Amino acid sequence: GAVVSQHPSWVICKSGTSVKIECRSLDFQATTMFWYRQFPKQSLMLMATSNEGSKATYEQGVEKDKFLINHASLTLSTLTVTSAHPEDSSFYICSAKTSTGPVKGYTFGSGTRLTVV
Amino acid sequence: GNSVTQMEGPVTLSEEAFLTINCTYTATGYPSLFWYVQYPGEGLQLLLKATKADDKGSNKGFEATYRKETTSFHLEKGSVQVSDSAVYFCALSVMGGTYKYIFGTGTRLKVLA
Repeated sequence: GAVVSQHPSWVICKSGTSVKIECRSLDFQATTMFWYRQFPKQSLMLMATSNEGSKATYEQGVEKDKFLINHASLTLSTLTVTSAHPEDSSFYICSAKTSTGPVKGYTFGSGTRLTVV
Repeated sequence: GNSVTQMEGPVTLSEEAFLTINCTYTATGYPSLFWYVQYPGEGLQLLLKATKADDKGSNKGFEATYRKETTSFHLEKGSVQVSDSAVYFCALSVMGGTYKYIFGTGTRLKVLA
């Protein structure tokens, strides 16, 4: 079946530094990937939709200059949290939509727990 | 707007107990409804879904019925196992331009042997 690999699974960084999270589709091509964020005791919230080869579409209230999304190939999307601050500490998870083949639907990565100290 | 409300956890049950995790929604249009499960260290996996009113989704002994009159999609299982311990997310999606999920907060289930 379709597998999405997300890396790292957890990361601790210092305030002011940048962190990159990778989301890879291992056995299928993903023209569209989604990035979600979950704060403690809150819902998973969609942050942005990334399409291969084009700019990401950000949800209202999400700073595109702070959360840089790159989807340069059909198997890789990255989310970079720039100049991270403690309030960016959260659980980030990606999902991918297949573009071709028998696999349909949306597959999620295992998530990344970001802690900014 | 669209939203999903699910019961807060954690839910702790003994093995073979009956499980219900409540989920209600508000949506414009005609949403599809989903239950996702996340086992420790893994990604979210689709557990079951229903695309229209009165549909029943079922998988691995879990089932949920799309109730339009009560705007609910409660998850049930007659006899839980320790291996069912996970976080369960209720979600909806509304077609029309952008296929987006709206998730609930997740409910952690712990099943004791």
